[in-house]
Amino acid sequence: GDSVTQMEGPVTLSEEAFLTINCTYTATGYPSLFWYVQYPGEGLQLLLKATKADDKGSNKGFEATYRKETTSFHLEKGSVQVSDSAVYFCALTRLYNNNDMRFGAGTRLTVKP
Amino acid sequence: DAGVTQSPTHLIKTRGQQVTLRCSPKSGHDTVSWYQQALGQGPQFIFQYYEEEERQRGNFPDRFSGHQYPNYSSELNVNALLLGDSALYLCASSSTVLQDLDLYNSPLHFGNGTRLTVT
Repeated sequence: GDSVTQMEGPVTLSEEAFLTINCTYTATGYPSLFWYVQYPGEGLQLLLKATKADDKGSNKGFEATYRKETTSFHLEKGSVQVSDSAVYFCALTRLYNNNDMRFGAGTRLTVKP
Repeated sequence: DAGVTQSPTHLIKTRGQQVTLRCSPKSGHDTVSWYQQALGQGPQFIFQYYEEEERQRGNFPDRFSGHQYPNYSSELNVNALLLGDSALYLCASSSTVLQDLDLYNSPLHFGNGTRLTVT
């Protein structure tokens, strides 16, 4: 079945460092891909999404490109801040259909001043 | 604009008991999904409700049941609680639209969850 594999954490970076969190997927057809972020004590918030191959999702300095040839959707940010400390989840659903969203296990990011 | 609200925020129950969790969707949303998030794991899909009916179900036993009301709010019921049911239960809402003879959902908006502890 459809699934997502995420880079294992935790990840610890210094402020202003470059961030990459790897995500690969297994799915039939053409899924939509998402990154969600979860801050301590809160639910998940949609960070960015891409619905077709070569689409680039971006938000708050984060970006990810839908790579069908490598079945990947890696999350990147050029300069992280302490406020970016959170757990990041990669997820997929079938095209436009969010009935059964499949999440990765999550990657905890800690940014130190 | 109120987002997705869930109640209660925390709950402690004993094995064998029953529990009901509640969710009010974001204004304008008509579809509610429930997810279970075990500690250190990603959320797992339980089921989704649309037009007061269960539209799709994940790999969860019949002990997990739900309901959706005409105002789109929803409940998740879990019977005969097990220790393994301890988790964060997340509600997510979305809008369902008919497109090309099929139903599609807008991106999910999540609530802050209910933390259930079974002792």
